[in-house]
Amino acid sequence: DSGVTQTPKHLITATGQRVTLRCSPRSGDLSVYWYQQSLDQGLQFLIQYYNGEERAKGNILERFSAQQFPDLHSELNLSSLELGDSALYFCASSGGLGTRTDTQYFGPGTRLTVL
Amino acid sequence: GNSVTQMEGPVTLSEEAFLTINCTYTATGYPSLFWYVQYPGEGLQLLLKATKADDKGSNKGFEATYRKETTSFHLEKGSVQVSDSAVYFCALSAGAGKSTFGDGTTLTVKP
Repeated sequence: DSGVTQTPKHLITATGQRVTLRCSPRSGDLSVYWYQQSLDQGLQFLIQYYNGEERAKGNILERFSAQQFPDLHSELNLSSLELGDSALYFCASSGGLGTRTDTQYFGPGTRLTVL
Repeated sequence: GNSVTQMEGPVTLSEEAFLTINCTYTATGYPSLFWYVQYPGEGLQLLLKATKADDKGSNKGFEATYRKETTSFHLEKGSVQVSDSAVYFCALSAGAGKSTFGDGTTLTVKP
């Protein structure tokens, strides 16, 4: 158990809908990262927050947004969903800013299915 | 940009066989290198890491050495067990937002 929790575990929804994925980092970790894992594109970095502020942005679509709250939990919002958004979404956390030596601890993921 | 290329799977071995999963990378600067393992239905877990050239990471019998001259970080284990069956990811990190993962190699170990 990494100490990172994600809810829900599974989510099934329809095209055009909006969903929210939630992540609680390990106790004491200030950075939260979001990743998308799909069969055709592998594991892709989406976005990182550090202590409530956006720190780095990756291949995140404009239809997707995220935030980190004062209690350090984070939410990833996905809107206008398309079939291609079906994937596993992982949250990870680390203690620091996200330097090259930081270890990221991954949650169990949320499996999103868009029908 | 940065990239990680790892050995295509799936890899199937018998218990107690020697394991090598190749990983090479392309990066500017001096990244850190990682191996993660993913068991079915779970998230990625750090297996080992190395933060500078010639460092050797090791854990649970697995080893990998950061080779700058060959831009490689091959994963090895002398004697695999059925419980090692999983997907293995090689990754590099060059700083915030600059983590790049390989496509993963599926290992199946048969008794």
